[in-house]
Amino acid sequence: AQSVTQPDIHITVSEGASLELRCNYSYGATPYLFWYVQSPGQGLQLLLKYFSGDTLVQGIKGFEAEFKRSQSSFNLRKPSVHWSDAAEYFCAVASMMDSSYKLIFGSGTRLLVRP
Amino acid sequence: DGGITQSPKYLFRKEGQNVTLSCEQNLNHDAMYWYRQDPGQGLRLIYYSQIVNDFQKGDIAEGYSVSREKKESFPLTVTSAQKNPTAFYLCASSRAGGGYTFGSGTRLTVV
Repeated sequence: AQSVTQPDIHITVSEGASLELRCNYSYGATPYLFWYVQSPGQGLQLLLKYFSGDTLVQGIKGFEAEFKRSQSSFNLRKPSVHWSDAAEYFCAVASMMDSSYKLIFGSGTRLLVRP
Repeated sequence: DGGITQSPKYLFRKEGQNVTLSCEQNLNHDAMYWYRQDPGQGLRLIYYSQIVNDFQKGDIAEGYSVSREKKESFPLTVTSAQKNPTAFYLCASSRAGGGYTFGSGTRLTVV
């Protein structure tokens, strides 16, 4: 069965420091992968997605993610974190259906930013 | 602007009551979804619908029901059979090949 693991429940970084959030997936075929961000009490916003092609994907807000098939990973990175990046981040893999797909989410990583 | 509207933002339910959460989208998306979010557990799929008048159970459908009579609307009813309904509920929609667009959620609390 498809699954997503985010091994870090919480991560704290200083403002201006670099960030890497880990994501490992289990999926039999070529995966469709996503990163979403959620502010408290809000819905989820799509940061970036990988369907095929270039394994380094650029997203919004200066985020990027790299798909590594050999490691079954899709880690999210940002070179310099801003205080406004503090939120919860979810990695997801798409499980294909007839005309659409359902998303299977990891349990999330909460990012705290030190001033 | 196109988007998804969930209402109400906060909802309180007494023991034994059924309650209905509203989800409306004006994005012309065919597929719609309901997820439940609990702290530390990520999002779990309750029901999904790929087309009008058709829907399928997700991973945790017990105690919930849905309808899809119109493309724009996908209401979720939390029935009295759902033993632990307190959670944050998120509705989403998608078009073929695209990412999901999420609503801002409904927080349901049993009192």
